[in-house]
Amino acid sequence: NAGVTQTPKFQVLKTGQSMTLQCAQDMNHEYMSWYRQDPGMGLRLIHYSVGAGITDQGEVPNGYNVSRSTTEDFPLRLLSAAPSQTSVYFCASKLQVLDTEAFFGQGTRLTVV
Amino acid sequence: GENVEQHPSTLSVQEGDSAVIKCTYSDSASNYFPWYKQELGKGPQLIIDIRSNVGEKKDQRIAVTLNKTAKHFSLHITETQPEDSAVYFCAASKETGANNLFFGTGTRLTVIP
Repeated sequence: NAGVTQTPKFQVLKTGQSMTLQCAQDMNHEYMSWYRQDPGMGLRLIHYSVGAGITDQGEVPNGYNVSRSTTEDFPLRLLSAAPSQTSVYFCASKLQVLDTEAFFGQGTRLTVV
Repeated sequence: GENVEQHPSTLSVQEGDSAVIKCTYSDSASNYFPWYKQELGKGPQLIIDIRSNVGEKKDQRIAVTLNKTAKHFSLHITETQPEDSAVYFCAASKETGANNLFFGTGTRLTVIP
């Protein structure tokens, strides 16, 4: 079972560049979300989606855009990368928003120089 | 919003000893408390969770306790093994209608053979 798949695993960007972090799940989960993980700060929610066509902001949404055109995919876009966006990014999904167990991808380590 | 504090940040134990990780939360409305284990290079994985209507839950060598009055919950690992070495995160959430898990800052557990 593939579960939650994130690509790429590693990425280095220059300040001002844009890129898209990909997330795909094959479990037919309605709920998907993006977190960033910074040293000493745990995981913080960036954006989430409760179903195709529906997205909303989390705790730290500035500098990021998302879309949910299909149930399977939930890409995260950095429009103009900044060094403050250097982090490890995790995508997670749940069957439904009120379900308890969230399944995480393996993460994308992003460095902005 | 919710604020989750986690202690200690690092913990080293001898194989076979017990390990205890403690978390406190600020929002009395939080009613769901999962624990995640993150191994090197992988995403967090749910290992045990507890709801506010339960004071303790066990799963083999792992147990979680919850004190709603004091707003703190703890993870207990008995008979630790080297494969228990990982970073452990606690989290808190309001299940009903909530779309966010608020994470603690993590505890790096090292089990010394």
